[in-house]
Parts: sequence; structure tokens; C-alpha cells
Amino acid sequence: NAGVTQTPKFQVLKTGQSMTLQCAQDMNHEYMSWYRQDPGMGLRLIHYSVGAGITDQGEVPNGYNVSRSTTEDFPLRLLSAAPSQTSVYFCASSVGVPDTQYFGPGTRLTVL
Amino acid sequence: GDSVTQMEGPVTLSEEAFLTINCTYTATGYPSLFWYVQYPGEGLQLLLKATKADDKGSNKGFEATYRKETTSFHLEKGSVQVSDSAVYFCALLHPMDSNYQLIWGAGTKLIIKP
Repeated sequence: NAGVTQTPKFQVLKTGQSMTLQCAQDMNHEYMSWYRQDPGMGLRLIHYSVGAGITDQGEVPNGYNVSRSTTEDFPLRLLSAAPSQTSVYFCASSVGVPDTQYFGPGTRLTVL
Repeated sequence: GDSVTQMEGPVTLSEEAFLTINCTYTATGYPSLFWYVQYPGEGLQLLLKATKADDKGSNKGFEATYRKETTSFHLEKGSVQVSDSAVYFCALLHPMDSNYQLIWGAGTKLIIKP
């Protein structure tokens, strides 16, 4: 049981490049979410999904896309990277509503 | 709108000291309240939670009591260890919130010196 896995752990992009952050969970959780963590700001929700085929926007969705084709996977796509997207990104999952969430180890992204 | 306010850090204590990290919230109704912990280089993990007024959550020697009258959920531990050094996040969730969004505090960094 691997829990929530994220790849890559570190990534450096140039402004304008695109990339996909991968997230997978093996706990059969319906709810999955993506957060960004910036110093002094806690966690901010980017997008979330309550099940396969269903996604919705969180607090800071601009510049990011998601899809949920399976229960296990919830990739986050950066369409055209900007320096303001430099952050640590966490994926999380939970059984239903985000009561007890299980977090991945994070991806540290730097956009130059 | 709903919000969570935590005491600013870093909080620096000596080993075996008593710990309090303050958390207050603004919300209508009866949200569920959580403390999550983030150890260096790791993702967050749930430390404890409480779902109704006067409930006490506890785990690993940490406790927090849901105080509706003071809208608070302060985290306490009687004797801290170096291994408790981490960032602690307070959060709330409305069970009836159709947006399914946890509201997070900014986090409080705790440093324990041997």
C-alpha cells in the first residue's frame, strides 16, 4: 500500500513551458485534490475531484488544468508556466468529503 | 467568509516544555476542526480532529478541545520532544459545504531545542 505518490519530487521549468505533475493513490479514495503551499500562506486549493470524471475549481485555479479519468490518478497540468507558479505542490486524497486527508510527499517546482 | 487564524511562528521551546499553539476560527454553524502536522521534507498528516463542540481530539500526546464559546481549537502538549519540531496547521471543514473545501490556517513552525 503506497498511499499517495507524486512525481517528480523536484522540477525546474522556464517561463512558458508546460508540464504535468503526476498524482496517484491506491486506497480507492473518491476525493482527490491539489494544493499549493507558499511561505506564510498555508495551503491553497487549486482543483479538486469528487470522483472519476468530476472535477471542480478551488481557490486558485488559473493557469492549471486537471482531469480525472480513473479513481487512482489525478494529474495537474501547467499550461504555460510563470514565475508566480513557483511553489510546493501537494496532492491529497480522502474517502469522501475531505475529512481525513492523506497527502503525497510534494513536488517542489521552480519557474525561471 | 470562513477563516482560520493561527499564532505566528516560529515558536521555539526547550525539550520537555509545555506547548500551546493557538488557533481561532470564524465560521457559521458547527464546522469540524483539524490539526495537521508537516515534518521537514514531508507532506501533511492528520494529527487530530474534533467534530462537535466540547469534543477533545488527542494523538501522540497532543490534545485540542473544540470550544464553541471562544471559537478556538488550541493545540497543547505537556512535554515536547525534539522530534515534535514541525509545522502545525489548523483547519476547518463545514460538513454541509458543497464545495468540499478545507479552510487552512497559515501554519505555525515549532522548533524544539535539546
